[in-house]
Amino acid sequence: GAGVSQSPSNKVTEKGKDVELRCDPISGHTALYWYRQSLGQGLEFLIYFQGNSAPDKSGLPSDRFSAERTGGSVSTLTIQRTQQEDSAVYLCASSSGRAVYNEQFFGPGTRLTVL
Amino acid sequence: AQSVAQPEDQVNVAEGNPLTVKCTYSVSGNPYLFWYVQYPNRGLQFLLKYITGDNLVKGSYGFEAEFNKSQTSFHLKKPSALVSDSALYFCAAPTSGTYKYIFGTGTRLKVLA
Repeated sequence: GAGVSQSPSNKVTEKGKDVELRCDPISGHTALYWYRQSLGQGLEFLIYFQGNSAPDKSGLPSDRFSAERTGGSVSTLTIQRTQQEDSAVYLCASSSGRAVYNEQFFGPGTRLTVL
Repeated sequence: AQSVAQPEDQVNVAEGNPLTVKCTYSVSGNPYLFWYVQYPNRGLQFLLKYITGDNLVKGSYGFEAEFNKSQTSFHLKKPSALVSDSALYFCAAPTSGTYKYIFGTGTRLKVLA
């Protein structure tokens, strides 16, 4: 079956511009995560959605970052006024059910480069 | 602060030899622990997890991991390494009472033919 998809796969933007990254989770998965993977770093948790509940935004690094999830499915991560330090691979993952110990299925990521 | 540590940036092992990739954790309460693998140009894939019960957990591709509460470790092991096991391995755990996962910085495994 179809896995988690993300678009675009690569995004190059100029400092100060806004970008939108999209994630399509596995159909039926109620949990959705966004992470950031910087070179030489582990994955950094950004935000977690579960169904129609209020998201856990505790990992968003600044108010330039926001995310929404429409209809409990597709999610968009928006970065406003991008900075060079935002350059990274942004990963989306989904999992089934509400149990915190359910494994996550990851998308291929969006590589963001801010010039 | 809760954390997951992978003390080795890289591990080299000869094909056919046993391999170990180390992970230690500092998480409140009873931890849930995971290993994920990232092959070149591919997304992260789940390998195995520890929830409760038997301290030896078996996962995909012949991998296993041993949960050691006294040493707060969850090392990944495989009896006989394959060249195709070469990849980046991440240990992860949710922080206690939340869905916020913390990941180690990753260990690059190189299996030499």
